[in-house]
Amino acid sequence: QQPVQSPQAVILREGEDAVINCSSSKALYSVHWYRQKHGEAPVFLMILLKGGEQKGHEKISASFNEKKQQSSLYLTASQLSYSGTYFCGTEEGYSGGYQKVTFGIGTKLQVIP
Amino acid sequence: DVKVTQSSRYLVKRTGEKVFLECVQDMDHENMFWYRQDPGLGLRLIYFSYDVKMKEKGDIPEGYSVSREKKERFSLILESASTNQTSMYLCASRGRGQETQYFGPGTRLLVL
Repeated sequence: QQPVQSPQAVILREGEDAVINCSSSKALYSVHWYRQKHGEAPVFLMILLKGGEQKGHEKISASFNEKKQQSSLYLTASQLSYSGTYFCGTEEGYSGGYQKVTFGIGTKLQVIP
Repeated sequence: DVKVTQSSRYLVKRTGEKVFLECVQDMDHENMFWYRQDPGLGLRLIYFSYDVKMKEKGDIPEGYSVSREKKERFSLILESASTNQTSMYLCASRGRGQETQYFGPGTRLLVL
């Protein structure tokens, strides 16, 4: 079952902040965040594991609330290079060998000057 | 530098044709995946494989089959292509226990 992402689209001016949310009805082992620029393959940003944690990557960070099965991606002081579609992916468990990631429909983020 | 390659960037086929999409990774990864990407539907998992000759259905396996005869290669097969299989197809791989899933550049398939 696909995780639910919100918002579906957002337009920011350079320097503004944004939050993208991801939620699942299933108990999660981990949440992944990827960014896909137009015409390119999705690229891994970060993973958050069960246990509830927060991670950072330059000015992009994320949190995982294990109790609510929700994750949020925070983009601060946005730059033009942040434009793209952001996908969250969820893993329900690591079944001793294979790791299936189910992705949401994505959030299209556009940063304008 | 890690690499996932797909045999074609663009492909045009006719309804009813048998279509093969090939994916090769050079990272010795155990897990390989096929997704399709459609506007408004995101990335949906078709099939995945966690080892040679092993395969598991994803969320939308109908109309597709897969083959993994060698560790580095994972093929997606459309037995009889239909217009509703027109889409972008993305292959990905991931090492067992590793965090990062690497995607290929995608194959845009048009079925006429």
